[in-house]
Amino acid sequence: EVQLVESGGGVVQPGGSLRLSCAASGFTFDDYAMHWVRQAPGKGLEWVSLISGDGGSTYYADSVKGRFTISRDNSKNSLYLQMNSLRTEDTALYYCAKDEKGYSYGSWGQGTLVTVSS
Amino acid sequence: QSALTQPASVSGSPGQSITISCTGTSSDVGGYNYVSWYQQHPGKAPKLMIYEVSNRPSGVPDRFSGSKSGNTASLTISGLQAEDEADYYCSSYTSSSTPWVFGTGTKVTVL
Repeated sequence: EVQLVESGGGVVQPGGSLRLSCAASGFTFDDYAMHWVRQAPGKGLEWVSLISGDGGSTYYADSVKGRFTISRDNSKNSLYLQMNSLRTEDTALYYCAKDEKGYSYGSWGQGTLVTVSS
Repeated sequence: QSALTQPASVSGSPGQSITISCTGTSSDVGGYNYVSWYQQHPGKAPKLMIYEVSNRPSGVPDRFSGSKSGNTASLTISGLQAEDEADYYCSSYTSSSTPWVFGTGTKVTVL
């Protein structure tokens, strides 16, 4: 059974940094690209970033480009999101998701909450 | 890249059929067969319901079906059931600088 468990969320001041982690199990981690998707409180889903299975290719939403960095450690079955220069509009529940057929998000974690506030 | 456009809400009675639309452009929905649909119950993570426009993952009831015409994709729920009450989101690959985009979301109410 696929399991994705996010961690690392918390409260941070504007301009601050945070590193999210996603621990994966139940599948061959390095065979799959991985996404980060976020959802602001009471709002819709927003795609954030994707990393290929070997970590060689990364993609970002315009809203986070230059501030966020996605990475992975296949030896630890772990996905990361380094978030710098955080803004109040980055406040959201951050999900990691496993890439499936047709660029769909086949499995999701339960999310980790990031709150950017002074 | 703007979000794909979905109706804010759709409702139906048990047993009826409803359809949720997802309108984009030729750069996303119309240009690729990489449209997927997600169901999200309150306080829960989203769940994949349809991928590649019309394919159902194993375990998803065949009451859920997807289609596409031009720049608009659709999710149809036939034989609506109480447990189908949830938020639904479409998603598409896009050729823009933000390569993946979600729809605005639709709240489905079972009357």
